[in-house]
Amino acid sequence: QTVVTQEPSLTVSPGGTVTLTCASSTGAVTSGYYANWFQQKPGQAPRSLIYTITNRHSWTPARFSGSLLGGKAALTLSGVQPEDEADYYCLLFYAGAWGFGGGTKLTVL
Amino acid sequence: QVQLQQSGPGLVKTSQTLSMTCAISGDTIYSNTAAWNWIRQSPSRGLEWLGRTYYRSKWYFEYALSVRSRITISPDTSNNQFSLQLNFVTPEDTAVYYCARDVDFQYWGQGILVTVSS
Repeated sequence: QTVVTQEPSLTVSPGGTVTLTCASSTGAVTSGYYANWFQQKPGQAPRSLIYTITNRHSWTPARFSGSLLGGKAALTLSGVQPEDEADYYCLLFYAGAWGFGGGTKLTVL
Repeated sequence: QVQLQQSGPGLVKTSQTLSMTCAISGDTIYSNTAAWNWIRQSPSRGLEWLGRTYYRSKWYFEYALSVRSRITISPDTSNNQFSLQLNFVTPEDTAVYYCARDVDFQYWGQGILVTVSS
């Protein structure tokens, strides 16, 4: 099973752009890892933002985009809003098991 | 509209078995595209996937290595629900437990905080 690594924390200015990444201990992340991204705000359950690498849900703002970048899964926020301050978790599938990253705490400052 | 409704105790004694159920509405546990997952979250361990079950002409079960010796996930086809059993719990198993459907992880249960204490 995979160990998933994310940046522990990132800071971005309002209106700016930031990319969060998600790496696998098993090697380069490919489409077969079905990368998912979740947002979690204090006191709330995680909420899915992106599934299967690039797909947004109906509630996911267009400023959130998912991709594969340099052997990792990536979540890019363009035109960051103050309400985007939250914890972000990625989830990868490998060898019959899902694995969560440790999360990235995004500060909008 | 899919809904997942969890039920189970909020307190379990050390060394006993944690049992929880997730009732599915708006979908069938026999779905040929979905799998039914258990996930937990604690401050010390973060988000942790525990395991899943799914039906593709027969039932499949996949578990996280960290709990494989202690976990059982069971489908209850009569009631369109699935359950989690985690044996020999310790305070390290204290967490919020969620069920979720992994077509796209759009649907989660409401979460239940389970405290393990002597």
